[in-house]
Amino acid sequence: QKEVEQNSGPLSVPEGAIASLNCTYSDRVSQSFFWYRQYSGKSPELIMSIYSNGDKEDGRFTAQLNKASQYVSLLIRDSQPSDSATYLCAVNQGGFKTIFGAGTRLFVKA
Amino acid sequence: GAGVSQSPRYKVAKRGQDVALRCDPISGHVSLFWYQQALGQGPEFLTYFQNEAQLDKSGLPSDRFFAERPEGSVSTLKIQRTQQEDSAVYLCASSLLSSGGYNEQFFGPGTRLTVL
Repeated sequence: QKEVEQNSGPLSVPEGAIASLNCTYSDRVSQSFFWYRQYSGKSPELIMSIYSNGDKEDGRFTAQLNKASQYVSLLIRDSQPSDSATYLCAVNQGGFKTIFGAGTRLFVKA
Repeated sequence: GAGVSQSPRYKVAKRGQDVALRCDPISGHVSLFWYQQALGQGPEFLTYFQNEAQLDKSGLPSDRFFAERPEGSVSTLKIQRTQQEDSAVYLCASSLLSSGGYNEQFFGPGTRLTVL
């Protein structure tokens, strides 16, 4: 079992819809959770960080964390074609190492 | 500088050659990370520095990989006797704090290494 699992996609949504990206992790002691966006040929860019159970909103993005279910998600409201990218879920267990998932490819159709 | 910079952006090496990849973190950032990213995969942790101290090198795949950050700023990742399986994008990231968990990392553009 991989430590951080994501559906590879592609996830295709129409422009203006809500995109829902999901991530599960295996280590219950994980403390901090991050979502990065990576455009093709570019480096990862931090979108959201979340540390406690519940929702965290930032503009069109909402991160949701459920530690009991070992589940973290990212919602993108009013999706735009410019949101088309790979979204990486990353988990830190409290040490120095952050574990990344393989990413979910999102395609927003105009 | 405004962000993390890396050089060279592209490197082609013949199998068996040594390579050195450079990372300039954001000024004042305590923590520096190196990752390896294969095509279609997420970044894989290689090593971590807190200032000049290398506190975790558990992700380095073999003893051919060596990293240093002698003055707590610029870092170099060196790969000796490169092999084809070393072909990947090498990413450097820095963060302001020294603590492990609550540490938002900012990535450089990466160095794409191709070993022929």
